[in-house]
Amino acid sequence: ETGVTQTPRHLVMGMTNKKSLKCEQHLGHNAMYWYKQSAKKPLELMFVYNFKEQTENNSVPSRFSPECPNSSHLFLHLHTLQPEDSALYLCASSPWAQGVSGANVLTFGAGSRLTVL
Amino acid sequence: SQQGEEDPQALSIQEGENATMNCSYKTSINNLQWYRQNSGRGLVHLILIRSNEREKHSGRLRVTLDTSKKSSSLLITASRAADTASYFCATITYGGATNKLIFGTGTLLAVQP
Repeated sequence: ETGVTQTPRHLVMGMTNKKSLKCEQHLGHNAMYWYKQSAKKPLELMFVYNFKEQTENNSVPSRFSPECPNSSHLFLHLHTLQPEDSALYLCASSPWAQGVSGANVLTFGAGSRLTVL
Repeated sequence: SQQGEEDPQALSIQEGENATMNCSYKTSINNLQWYRQNSGRGLVHLILIRSNEREKHSGRLRVTLDTSKKSSSLLITASRAADTASYFCATITYGGATNKLIFGTGTLLAVQP
C-alpha cells in the first residue's frame, strides 16, 4: 500500500461506453498526476493538478476528461475511447508540482488496466 | 519529446551479481530520479540525485550523475531475485507552473535465482 489508491484495477469497455477511473491519496500531497503506460513506450504524462488547478494538459484527446475536486481525489472520465487507448493508467501524487527538488518525488498507485474493445 | 533513454533495454544476470543500468538525456536538468516497477504495478521511487551531486548511495543502490555527458547510472549490488523489475530514470527540469518530469523507456532486469 503506497498511500495512493486507484480503482478499478481492471476495466473493460466498449468504444461507446462512458466510465471513470478514480484515484485517492492519503499522503497530504498537493499535486496529482495521470500517466498512460503503453507497451514499448515511455511513460506519457497526461495531466497535472497542483492545488486542485490543472497546470498541465499534454495534448490529451478530449475523450479523456480529468476532474480534481480536491487535492486528495483525481478522476479520469472516459468516453468514446479507441482500441489504441488500451493501456495501464497510472495515478501519482507528489508534495508539489513545481519548485525545489523533493517536489516531484512521485508516489504511484498500482494502476488501472484499461482494455477498449 | 523523450528525454531519458535507458540502456540496456533488457538485462539478465545471476543472483549475487551486480547490475548496471544507464540513462542518457538531452537537455539540462535540475535533478534525476530512478524508479522501479514490478510487472503490471505502479512505479516506486528509489533515489533522487541533484544536478550538483555526482554520486549517491542508498542501501545496495549506487547512482552516479555526469552532467557533462548528460548521463546517469544505477548500480544494484549483490542482486536478488526480488530485484527483478523494470527500472526507469526520470529527469526533472524546473520552470513554469509544473516542473518537467520526463521518464525514459526503462531497463527490464531479470535476476535468475
